[in-house]
Amino acid sequence: GQQLNQSPQSMFIQEGEDVSMNCTSSSIFNTWLWYKQDPGEGPVLLIALYKAGELTSNGRLTAQFGITRKDSFLNISASIPSDVGIYFCAGPHGSSNTGKLIFGQGTTLQVKP
Amino acid sequence: NAGVTQTPKFQVLKTGQSMTLQCAQDMNHEYMSWYRQDPGMGLRLIHYSVGAGITDQGEVPNGYNVSRSTTEDFPLRLLSAAPSQTSVYFCASSLLGTGIYEQYFGPGTRLTVT
Repeated sequence: GQQLNQSPQSMFIQEGEDVSMNCTSSSIFNTWLWYKQDPGEGPVLLIALYKAGELTSNGRLTAQFGITRKDSFLNISASIPSDVGIYFCAGPHGSSNTGKLIFGQGTTLQVKP
Repeated sequence: NAGVTQTPKFQVLKTGQSMTLQCAQDMNHEYMSWYRQDPGMGLRLIHYSVGAGITDQGEVPNGYNVSRSTTEDFPLRLLSAAPSQTSVYFCASSLLGTGIYEQYFGPGTRLTVT
């Protein structure tokens, strides 16, 4: 079945450093989404990607929809302490526009001030 | 707007007890769904609804029931709680159409079954 694999599983970085994480799938996706979950809260949508090759920014965050449509990347520039949290990639589950999402297992980011 | 609200925030149940997790949204979203999150795993879809009176199963529906009598509310019922249902439960909502995957999540209900 469909599965999303995120790497790395966790990162511990110094404030000010740039961060890169990625998400891969064995099947093709037509939509990629990146969510962030703060400790004790629900996920919040960061970026949605709808077209292969698309590069979209949201402040210090930049996400790319891979050309093969089997991967996506999220970069965070000049990290700050409030970037701490779990970052999830997600994509549509199944082929039709049902709203069903499948999530990766998450990348946990810790930032040292 | 309050967005998506969930009650209770925490709950402890004994095996075999039943309960209902409440979810409400005030954004007039047609689409609503329930996910569970277990340690080290992403979110997994339990049930979803594309409008009042319409529900369908997600990835892990066993042991859970839902109904959708209004656009605003989408309760999740555990009929006979089991320790395997210990998890954090999230409700989400979105508009239908091109934005259906851009979902807004509630703050979660942390459930422990002993």
